[in-house]
Amino acid sequence: SQQGEEDPQALSIQEGENATMNCSYKTSINNLQWYRQNSGRGLVHLILIRSNEREKHSGRLRVTLDTSKKSSSLLITASRAADTASYFCATVPTGANNLFFGTGTRLTVIP
Amino acid sequence: ETGVTQSPTHLIKTRGQQVTLRCSSQSGHNTVSWYQQALGQGPQFIFQYYREEENGRGNFPPRFSGLQFPNYSSELNVNALELDDSALYLCASSLVSLAGNEQFFGPGTRLTVL
Repeated sequence: SQQGEEDPQALSIQEGENATMNCSYKTSINNLQWYRQNSGRGLVHLILIRSNEREKHSGRLRVTLDTSKKSSSLLITASRAADTASYFCATVPTGANNLFFGTGTRLTVIP
Repeated sequence: ETGVTQSPTHLIKTRGQQVTLRCSSQSGHNTVSWYQQALGQGPQFIFQYYREEENGRGNFPPRFSGLQFPNYSSELNVNALELDDSALYLCASSLVSLAGNEQFFGPGTRLTVL
């Protein structure tokens, strides 16, 4: 079964706008990771945030983690058409070494 | 590009047949994980191999089996294929140090079972 859920399931924005995706999960975790997938191909790792971290930045990406609420958010600033893809959060539960993925958010950036 | 390769890219089988999917890990990585991604869903963990031994398994029946070779390449075998096995199969390699390493995914093998 899926570990978590992303919200919204689909998001459509204009180029230059910011995109925010949320992820909720169920169990205690070691870390949470965000991945991107283009058109049903392989996943590309975007960012990893550990359970003792609250915020992390990488280029135009900003990730927050609230372990008390078991939730995370991914913010993509100044979006580009090339950001169009599906975005997944994945958790590594405490004591595990594998990833548990959410259901994904389909982002469409309109030029 | 991650350096993880998978073969074949696409595969069509009929129900009841057996299939073998292959994965070549990124250089220096000693751990490989396999995931099944049904259409419109997130990937689901099948199993993980570390130094040629199974190191964790998801909720998949025994007809899903795997191997990891001394060069850390890997195979996923599925026996008695069912229609619901149609999916994108992804392998991911990583270097185990602390729990929760970044995983590098291959492009996947799309399996269609008729």
